[in-house]
Amino acid sequence: DIQMTHSPSSLSASVGDRVTITCRASQSISNYLNWYQQKPGKAPKLLIYAASTLQSDVPSRFSGSGSGTDFTLTVNTLQPEDFATYYCQQSYSAPYTFGQGTKVEIK
Amino acid sequence: QVQLQESGPGLEKPSETLSLTCTVSNGSISNHYWSWIRQPPGKGLEWIGYIYYSGTTNYNPSLMRRVTISVDASKNQFSLKLNSVTAADSAMYYCVRLGYRSGQYSFDYWGQGALVTVSS
Repeated sequence: DIQMTHSPSSLSASVGDRVTITCRASQSISNYLNWYQQKPGKAPKLLIYAASTLQSDVPSRFSGSGSGTDFTLTVNTLQPEDFATYYCQQSYSAPYTFGQGTKVEIK
Repeated sequence: QVQLQESGPGLEKPSETLSLTCTVSNGSISNHYWSWIRQPPGKGLEWIGYIYYSGTTNYNPSLMRRVTISVDASKNQFSLKLNSVTAADSAMYYCVRLGYRSGQYSFDYWGQGALVTVSS
């Protein structure tokens, strides 16, 4: 199985901050990497697919980059509704695996 | 847009079989892959498996011995059965569509989730 590792596991930030989350794969996955946002009590929501393509209706302050084993999710100008847990997920090969998540909390 | 809704018992006894059904609305189950994903309380996400509308399946090896996913295209539904459950199988179970974009798959539509507790 391909292991996905988030860094950091959690972070505290303020509204208006720029936040960067890193996800590392245990082997090269090209750009087969998706990002999800999950708020408490809700299902995850697809934010970015193919490492850098924004899903429709996702605000442009979200962006993704990376290829191979190292990927980043950046949130520019953090908004109150962005406080959530973010997961990366590889779709390179089954079993599809998720990272353990990064929780973005209010400072 | 496509909507998914899980249904099934919220409580199972140890060693019994967990059964959930997902009903797809505002879209056809045809020509898509459909998955089950679970999340134990306070923990991360685990992919259980997927099924194509024609019936082809792929399961997570960690659960393969106990899991069956089936589809009923005439009802626009797909189902999950997980046998010999233990407390470790207590989780929120999500049914999810695998969408195809830019030559890749991602989990693009999610049900609201069904909480299943395994307890005697």
